[in-house]
Amino acid sequence: QKEVEQDPGPLSVPEGAIVSLNCTYSNSAFQYFMWYRQYSRKGPELLMYTYSSGNKEDGRFTAQVDKSSKYISLFIRDSQPSDSATYLCAMTRNFNKFYFGSGTKLNVKP
Amino acid sequence: DAGVIQSPRHEVTEMGQEVTLRCKPISGHDYLFWYRQTMMRGLELLIYFNNNVPIDDSGMPEDRFSAKMPNASFSTLKIQPSEPRDSAVYFCASSSGGDEQFFGPGTRLTVL
Repeated sequence: QKEVEQDPGPLSVPEGAIVSLNCTYSNSAFQYFMWYRQYSRKGPELLMYTYSSGNKEDGRFTAQVDKSSKYISLFIRDSQPSDSATYLCAMTRNFNKFYFGSGTKLNVKP
Repeated sequence: DAGVIQSPRHEVTEMGQEVTLRCKPISGHDYLFWYRQTMMRGLELLIYFNNNVPIDDSGMPEDRFSAKMPNASFSTLKIQPSEPRDSAVYFCASSSGGDEQFFGPGTRLTVL
């Protein structure tokens, strides 16, 4: 079993839709949870970072962590075509070794 | 800062040849990571260094893969001999030990 599981998609939504992206994990020692965005033929870039359980909001993006269920989510409100990318969740115990999901490819249609 | 620099950006080689990928991390970052990304397996950590010392190489697939970091501004990932199943995008990333890893643009490797 992989440490982090993520549905690869692809996920196709119309512009303006609310998008929900999710990951599950197996290691309860993970404390820090991140979402990276990767545009085609580029390296991943950090989008949001959350410590332990709870919510974090940044503009149209909201990250949620439920440690009791070992489940994390990223919500995108009012999705835009420029949000079309692959979204990877990542997590770590101590910022040394990071474990990434396989990524969900999102396509926002104009 | 120019960010993490990787070379070459594309590499096409034949099975059995040696391949060397290069990385220059962001100045001041003391962690360096090598990842491999494929459609089937996603983004996999191969090895990471702290202060030029390899800390965890458990992700290195087999003895054909080796990585070095001779100084704080340069690292190499070598595959010898290369095989078609090594075809992937290889990313180098660096960090200061905080929450963000900065990724390079990747090297797209094709082994024929």
